[in-house]
Amino acid sequence: SQQGEEDPQALSIQEGENATMNCSYKTSINNLQWYRQNSGRGLVHLILIRSNEREKHSGRLRVTLDTSKKSSSLLITASRAADTASYFCATDDASVPDMRFGAGTRLTVKP
Amino acid sequence: NAGVTQTPKFQVLKTGQSMTLQCAQDMNHNSMYWYRQDPGMGLRLIYYSASEGTTDKGEVPNGYNVSRLNKREFSLRLESAAPSQTSVYFCASSEAWTGQEQYFGPGTRLTVT
Repeated sequence: SQQGEEDPQALSIQEGENATMNCSYKTSINNLQWYRQNSGRGLVHLILIRSNEREKHSGRLRVTLDTSKKSSSLLITASRAADTASYFCATDDASVPDMRFGAGTRLTVKP
Repeated sequence: NAGVTQTPKFQVLKTGQSMTLQCAQDMNHNSMYWYRQDPGMGLRLIYYSASEGTTDKGEVPNGYNVSRLNKREFSLRLESAAPSQTSVYFCASSEAWTGQEQYFGPGTRLTVT
């Protein structure tokens, strides 16, 4: 069963705008990760955030984690057409140590 | 480094046929995984190998078997393919079993008719 649920399911923005995607989960987690998948390709790891962390940055990416609300957000600033992809969150926890993926957010960045 | 490689890229099977999907990684990772991805869904774990010599069931293991041939290679076998196994299959690896980023192969698109 899926643990994380991304919201929205699809997002369309113009180049240069910021994109925000959210992930909610049901049980306590150890770690939460965000991955990107370009059409027809494998997943690429973006960021891992641990349960005792609240925010992480990597280039134009900013991830926040709110364990009290069981939610995370991924912000992509100054988006580019090359950011067009599906974005997935994945969680692992003490009872289910294998990663559970959400269904993803499909991001389209228009040039 | 090639990272994670998978063969074949595409495969069409008839119901009841068998096949093996191959996966290899050159990053000296301890853990390897097989996932399936169905349209509009995230990845679901079929089997994993936390370390060489061990394999365990994931979320959706029915109809599949795996072999951790050595540290580099992890194969997935469908003994008697069914249309419900039509999917895209991804192999992944990581340094350790949990709490680590996973590196994914390009996927195998399997159609069972």
